[in-house]
Amino acid sequence: EAQVTQNPRYLITVTGKKLTVTCSQNMNHEYMSWYRQDPGLGLRQIYYSMNVEVTDKGDVPEGYKVSRKEKRNFPLILESPSPNQTSLYFCASRNWGGYKGEQFFGPGTRLTVL
Amino acid sequence: QQQVKQSPQSLIVQKGGISIINCAYENTAFDYFPWYQQFPGKGPALLIAIRPDVSEKKEGRFTISFNKSAKQFSLHIMDSQPGDSATYFCAASKQETSGSRLTFGEGTQLTVNP
Repeated sequence: EAQVTQNPRYLITVTGKKLTVTCSQNMNHEYMSWYRQDPGLGLRQIYYSMNVEVTDKGDVPEGYKVSRKEKRNFPLILESPSPNQTSLYFCASRNWGGYKGEQFFGPGTRLTVL
Repeated sequence: QQQVKQSPQSLIVQKGGISIINCAYENTAFDYFPWYQQFPGKGPALLIAIRPDVSEKKEGRFTISFNKSAKQFSLHIMDSQPGDSATYFCAASKQETSGSRLTFGEGTQLTVNP
């Protein structure tokens, strides 16, 4: 089954404790992206990657890091989480040649930073 | 600043009624306008999309109306059903030589009462 998977689905942590949210897709997509979803703000892009070793900032990159060492994986790293990073996070992927809007989203990771 | 503004924030419709969600955008370089549907606990999924060279696109009970001069587009759900209850996001993207991002609206929570 073609899908984007994220782990963990739920995470409660404390301020300053480094964490990684993993994202993996099995569709051989070149383009991957991370979004955060907050009430009243919609989805905002954090980082994106057009291919292996190619990443760039989205609209809200502060406090986040990413890496793209393999085509299928695109982990999101919070080096020192803060309460304002409490949010619902989505990873997405698409073919580079496909419609720009046709992104496939993972199931989401709900993060709470205390 | 929010480049894509969506309204209403929430909408309650009776079964069989018409649901209408509106979006307005600022950037005239946007050239692709998708709508995403999100059920609770799930990631957004592409519902329907339109390009600015047409004024309307219909897929089953879902129709996008596009007004290029007004920089507005809307989603109409005919014969709304309880199973349509979800959060709907409009989005926009533009042709770029490097990078490609979706700019989302704030979201509309639709409830269809039986």
